[in-house]
Amino acid sequence: NAGVTQTPKFQVLKTGQSMTLQCAQDMNHEYMSWYRQDPGMGLRLIHYSVGAGITDQGEVPNGYNVSRSTTEDFPLRLLSAAPSQTSVYFCASSPRTPYSGTEAFFGQGTRLTVV
Amino acid sequence: AQTVTQSQPEMSVQEAETVTLSCTYDTSESDYYLFWYKQPPSRQMILVIRQEAYKQQNATENRFSVNFQKAAKSFSLKISDSQLGDAAMYFCAYRRPSYQGAQKLVFGQGTRLTINP
Repeated sequence: NAGVTQTPKFQVLKTGQSMTLQCAQDMNHEYMSWYRQDPGMGLRLIHYSVGAGITDQGEVPNGYNVSRSTTEDFPLRLLSAAPSQTSVYFCASSPRTPYSGTEAFFGQGTRLTVV
Repeated sequence: AQTVTQSQPEMSVQEAETVTLSCTYDTSESDYYLFWYKQPPSRQMILVIRQEAYKQQNATENRFSVNFQKAAKSFSLKISDSQLGDAAMYFCAYRRPSYQGAQKLVFGQGTRLTINP
């Protein structure tokens, strides 16, 4: 299984440009999330989804949009990139089960630099 | 809101020795789950070990074990017989139960572990 696939792995943007980070999973997981990782701050939740058509904001949602039209895909859109959005972005998925100890599966991450 | 704190930005240990990484968390809930994730230079997030708050017994996975102190809200990771492949960034994470909402993870700041040969 491919698991969680993120594209691209690296990206350089100019301030003000827009782009979409892609995330796809082939495990039929209901839950999907986007995190950003910054030095000294760990991973912080940007947006998450509990199923197709349902999304909600996390801890740091400003400057990012998401949508979930299918179970498999959960793209993250940067509408107008800013240097503060320079970070490593992770997509994660997990199944809907009563057992919350279920492992979350992560993509390989996207390193984004905004200049 | 829940918070997770890792107070050791960096740790180092001699190969074959034992090292303990610290994690504290703050929550008003009694039911939750705690995790340790490993992130090697490849950036891949790898689950090391998990602990259910309702279980008194500390979780173990081969050379990895935790010391879960619920009253103190402490969740440390012990790595025994350290190996060069253990060198990585380690993250402590908290998750609320499913019935309280989506499975969102709250992460600590991370501890970078270096293994000295």
